[in-house]
Amino acid sequence: SQTIHQWPATLVQPVGSPLSLECTVEGTSNPNLYWYRQAAGRGLQLLFYSVGIGQISSEVPQNLSASRPQDRQFILSSKKLLLSDSGFYLCAWDRGGSNQPQHFGDGTRLSIL
Amino acid sequence: AQSVTQLDSQVPVFEEAPVELRCNYSSSVSVYLFWYVQYPNQGLQLLLKYLSGSTLVKGINGFEAEFNKSQTSFHLRKPSVHISDTAEYFCAVSEAYGGSQGNLIFGKGTKLSVKP
Repeated sequence: SQTIHQWPATLVQPVGSPLSLECTVEGTSNPNLYWYRQAAGRGLQLLFYSVGIGQISSEVPQNLSASRPQDRQFILSSKKLLLSDSGFYLCAWDRGGSNQPQHFGDGTRLSIL
Repeated sequence: AQSVTQLDSQVPVFEEAPVELRCNYSSSVSVYLFWYVQYPNQGLQLLLKYLSGSTLVKGINGFEAEFNKSQTSFHLRKPSVHISDTAEYFCAVSEAYGGSQGNLIFGKGTKLSVKP
């Protein structure tokens, strides 16, 4: 069966510090991978998606970036965090195709001080 | 462009009462529809999906949803809720154009609060 792991579960960072959140998927190959941010009362905002190694599409220009160094690894990064980067970050995967549901990790709660 | 509207941001209900969470979508082409549930501080979990066939779809935890193409709706229902159903519920839609990258559009969510 397929599993998705995100870490860390919670993170408290000062403004201006760097960020690295990691997501890995097991039990499948060549998944589509997604990063979402969930802010209070604002639903899910798609940040990045990837259909293959090294292929990243950005949905919202901001100070965040994403990378996919391996088939089942997706990393969300920032060089300098802003207060507005606080939120709940979710990684998801699917098999590709618009009829495929996305499967989510347990999320990372990021608080910026 | 497609969009999803969840008309109720919060729905309070008493335990063992029926509940309906409303979802309407807008799209110029055929769609696939999904409902997800999110418990506090967890990721989203798929409840059910409509791809084709019977318009009444049954999912996990006793939930079901009915696809109504003429009303562009996909409302989620449960005949008798439990305290453990307290969570946020998200409706999502993707257009059936056959693309390789899933373009799920999510509603803003409905918080279901079940009271004893």
